[in-house]
Order: sequence, then C-alpha cells, then structure tokens
Amino acid sequence: AQKITQTQPGMFVQEKEAVTLDCTYDTSDQSYGLFWYKQPSSGEMIFLIYQGSYDEQNATEGRYSLNFQKARKSANLVISASQLGDSAMYFCAMRAPNSGGSNYKLTFGKGTLLTVNP
Amino acid sequence: GAVVSQHPSWVICKSGTSVKIECRSLDFQATTMFWYRQFPKQSLMLMATSNEGSKATYEQGVEKDKFLINHASLTLSTLTVTSAHPEDSSFYICSAWGHGGITDTQYFGPGTRLTVL
Repeated sequence: AQKITQTQPGMFVQEKEAVTLDCTYDTSDQSYGLFWYKQPSSGEMIFLIYQGSYDEQNATEGRYSLNFQKARKSANLVISASQLGDSAMYFCAMRAPNSGGSNYKLTFGKGTLLTVNP
Repeated sequence: GAVVSQHPSWVICKSGTSVKIECRSLDFQATTMFWYRQFPKQSLMLMATSNEGSKATYEQGVEKDKFLINHASLTLSTLTVTSAHPEDSSFYICSAWGHGGITDTQYFGPGTRLTVL
C-alpha cells in the first residue's frame, strides 16, 4: 500500500521569500509518480508539478520546483518568491504504479496550509 | 490543461431528499472518473471509481446504496446522494486523468458544496 506523509500542518512565510513544503512517501513499486496540488479557499484542486520516479532531473514549473530525493523517499515542494496568492492548502500525492492507466488512484497526504504574510 | 466541470457548485437540501451532482470532462473523454469527499481542513477521501458503462468501484466503508454513481457516457459521471442527512454535508469533488502518456495528470472539478439541513 502507498502512503504519503506531510508533517507540517501549517507553514508561514514572508512575501517574496522561498518556502519548502515537506512530503515523504512509501511504496514498494519501482515505478511511481508524485504530484503536488494547490487548493485555495475556493476549493478547486490546481495541479502544480509532477515528478516521475525514473526522472533524473528535479521537476520545475515556474516558481515551483520539486526536490526529489529518491533514496530518502522525499518529494518536497519548493516555492520561490512567495506571493500573497500562494496562501492555500497544498497536497502531495502519489500514483503507483505509474503506468499511465486511466483507473489508477492517487494517494493524498493530509496537506499543509501555507500562509504568506505581507 | 484538461477541464473538468461540476454542477451544481453548491446545494442546500432538506434531510431525507436526494441530490444529484454531475461531473463532466469538457475537452477530453474519460473512461474513468473519481469521486472524493472532503471535510473542512482535511484531505481528500476517495469514495469511488466510476467506470464508463460498468458499475462503480467503491472504497471500503462507503455505502454504495447511499452514494449512487452512474457513468453513462465518456464525458459524464453523476453522483447521487440518496436520502441525505446532515452528516452527508461535505465538499464533493470529481476528477479524471487527462489522456496520453505516463505523465498523465489528474484534473479536478471545482467541487460541489453540499449542505443538508
């Protein structure tokens, strides 16, 4: 069974600073995919970034980067130059195995509530 | 990216009534859709996997007779909460994998906030 652990229930960061949101995972599969989603107070789930287990380079998408440390089974999200609009709940999720089938489930962590202070 | 819509975005109903929530994939076909519920300040809990043309697969502990799922076409899945009670009040979200390749992304609808009085 897969498990995602997010140990930070809440995080605070000053505007324009960088912040790291932690995520560790557990799976026996060799092929898996890791996702980060943002959920603002409106409730919609916004896809941020994806990392495949075989990807050699860390994924980046604009101000978001994923610090993937396979041996440690961690996939931390780094947000650079925080903005007030980054205040939201952030969820780490995993799909295993990562074969691209349409019926594979995502396993979610409990989330981290990020607050960006002006 | 792929777009998933939900209707209604919010609904208030009386205890004992049934409520239907629609989930549509707008620009892609989804043979499989997922239904989640989320309580305030908690994570998403997968309720069921909806398969086009066949019965839904429910997660352990989810009452299939209470939460009826119908996936009648490649772009539409519906969740009906039957005989709703106040404890069914929650945020319900559907999702589907965007097509193509191992880096598929699961796209989510905007959610439906259900309040049962």
